[in-house]
Amino acid sequence: ETGVTQSPTHLIKTRGQQVTLRCSSQSGHNTVSWYQQALGQGPQFIFQYYREEENGRGNFPPRFSGLQFPNYSSELNVNALELDDSALYLCASSLRYNYGYTFGSGTRLTVV
Amino acid sequence: KQEVTQIPAALSVPEGENLVLNCSFTDSAIYNLQWFRQDPGKGLTSLLLIQSSQREQTSGRLNASLDKSSGRSTLYIAASQPGDSATYLCAVGTARGSNYKLTFGKGTLLTVNP
Repeated sequence: ETGVTQSPTHLIKTRGQQVTLRCSSQSGHNTVSWYQQALGQGPQFIFQYYREEENGRGNFPPRFSGLQFPNYSSELNVNALELDDSALYLCASSLRYNYGYTFGSGTRLTVV
Repeated sequence: KQEVTQIPAALSVPEGENLVLNCSFTDSAIYNLQWFRQDPGKGLTSLLLIQSSQREQTSGRLNASLDKSSGRSTLYIAASQPGDSATYLCAVGTARGSNYKLTFGKGTLLTVNP
């Protein structure tokens, strides 16, 4: 069984640009969550998707948006990038939340 | 608002020592608690998941306990090895209906010296 895979692994963008990060959930998992981890901090919850609908969101502005596809893979889109958006973005999937979450290796985004 | 604190922030021990990492949380209405390991620049590896109705979980040299009423969890590592060096993160799971999220602490950076 494959785990959670994320692409790309590293990305450099200019302030004001837009970025799309991708995540393939673990086989059989129908719930996907995204987290942002700034340097030296714990991950912060961005949002969660269950069966293609957003069903939970953290304290992030609307320029952070996402999608979940019928195969349960997911995208995170960030518009109008700011320097503070530089972070490790982690995707996690689960069959059900009481089964615990499996995380991917993350995408390191640098905004210059 | 749930807040998670991990103590100590960093820990350095000689190989072979038993050690305890601490995690505290402010709201005891949790669904579960998960301990993760993170190597530098990498993603999170799940170590142990404790449901709110459970008191502890064990996996190999790792044992995690949960005291929901006092808002505390501990991760015990027996006979530490240099390969255990990493950041250990505690995450508390809370749910409102089907809206579930993890709230993380900042982690404990563990260094095991040969």
